[in-house]
Amino acid sequence: NAGVTQTPKFQVLKTGQSMTLQCAQDMNHEYMSWYRQDPGMGLRLIHYSVGAGITDQGEVPNGYNVSRSTTEDFPLRLLSAAPSQTSVYFCASTVDFSTDTQYFGPGTRLTVL
Amino acid sequence: AQSVTQLDSQVPVFEEAPVELRCNYSSSVSVYLFWYVQYPNQGLQLLLKYLSGSTLVESINGFEAEFNKSQTSFHLRKPSVHISDTAEYFCAVSPYNFNKFYFGSGTKLNVKP
Repeated sequence: NAGVTQTPKFQVLKTGQSMTLQCAQDMNHEYMSWYRQDPGMGLRLIHYSVGAGITDQGEVPNGYNVSRSTTEDFPLRLLSAAPSQTSVYFCASTVDFSTDTQYFGPGTRLTVL
Repeated sequence: AQSVTQLDSQVPVFEEAPVELRCNYSSSVSVYLFWYVQYPNQGLQLLLKYLSGSTLVESINGFEAEFNKSQTSFHLRKPSVHISDTAEYFCAVSPYNFNKFYFGSGTKLNVKP
């Protein structure tokens, strides 16, 4: 049981490049979410999903796309990276978004030059 | 709208001393309350949560938090800290019946020998 896995662990991009951050969970959780963590700002919700085929925006969705084709996977896409997207990205999954424990992946540290 | 305020960005404390990490929130609806902990270079882990019932909740490693509805607070306390408690602590709220989750900016607890 691997829990929540994220790849890559580190990534450096140039402005304008695109990339996909991968997230997978093996706990059969319906709810999955993406957060970004910036110094002094805590974690902010980017996008979330309540099940396969269903996604919605969080607090800071601009510049990011998501899709949920399977229960296990929830990739985050940056279509045209900007320096403001330099951050640490965490994926999480849970049985119930409001009341249950969220299980976090180890994070992806992204730098956009 | 919801917001979470952690007034102390850093709290230095000596080993075996008591500690309190403060958390206040504002919300137009009732909320569930959480504390998460992040050890260096790791993802977040749930420490404790308040959903209903007794306003005092405890974790397995000696932390406790008390929900105070009139003061809209959920402060985290430990009577005697250990070096291993050095980490960043995040308070979070989830509004009833909304698929949203809001984190505070975090408090770094630094336990000194």
